[in-house]
Amino acid sequence: EAQVTQNPRYLITVTGKKLTVTCSQNMNHEYMSWYRQDPGLGLRQIYYSMNVEVTDKGDVPEGYKVSRKEKRNFPLILESPSPNQTSLYFCASSLFWGARDYGYTFGSGTRLTVV
Amino acid sequence: GNSVTQMEGPVTLSEEAFLTINCTYTATGYPSLFWYVQYPGEGLQLLLKATKADDKGSNKGFEATYRKETTSFHLEKGSVQVSDSAVYFCALSNTGNQFYFGTGTSLTVIP
Repeated sequence: EAQVTQNPRYLITVTGKKLTVTCSQNMNHEYMSWYRQDPGLGLRQIYYSMNVEVTDKGDVPEGYKVSRKEKRNFPLILESPSPNQTSLYFCASSLFWGARDYGYTFGSGTRLTVV
Repeated sequence: GNSVTQMEGPVTLSEEAFLTINCTYTATGYPSLFWYVQYPGEGLQLLLKATKADDKGSNKGFEATYRKETTSFHLEKGSVQVSDSAVYFCALSNTGNQFYFGTGTSLTVIP
C-alpha cells in the first residue's frame, strides 16, 4: 500500500531533550515536507526537500533540523525542544513536480507534547 | 503571492442538511486547487481537486468548482452525514511544488 509512515504517533518529552520524528514513504517520491498544525493557524511548513541531499526552509524552521540522506526517509530533528513546539506534526510527499496534478500524500501525524 | 482564505468554523449541521464551505484564493498564474479532509485522529486525505478553471472536482458526494472569475473553490454537499464530521482544508498548488493551505473549517454533523 502506498503510504507515508510517521513514528511515533504520540510523544511526550521534556524541555531540552533531543528527539527525532521519523518519516518514510514507499512511493519513490522526490519531494517531502514537514508541517505543523496548530489551532487557528492551520498547517505551516517547517522544511521541505526536493530530492536527496536537497533541503530548504519553510515558513517556521526555527528550532528544527532535517536531513535527506535517502530518498525514502526525511526525519525531523528537534535538538532542544521547547514547550512552544508542542504541536501536531505531519510529513507529506509528492512526485517532483507532482503536487499540481496529484497533491500531497500525508502521514497520520505525530502529536508532540513538550513539558 | 499565493494564499487561501476559507470560512471560519466551527460549522454545526443536522444530518441531511446542505453544506457549503467557502474558499477563495489569491495566486499568480494558474494554480491547481484542492480540498483535503482530516478525520479525528488522522492525517489529511485528498478529497477532491481541480487543475484548471471551470473544472469540477467531486468525490463521496462532495463537489467544488474552480471559478477563476471569482477566485473561488467552494465545497458543497447536498446531504451531510454524521460520518462527514471532520476538518476540511482548502489548498492551492502553484509553481515550485509548494502547497498553500487555508486554516481549516471544522464540521460537526449531529443526528
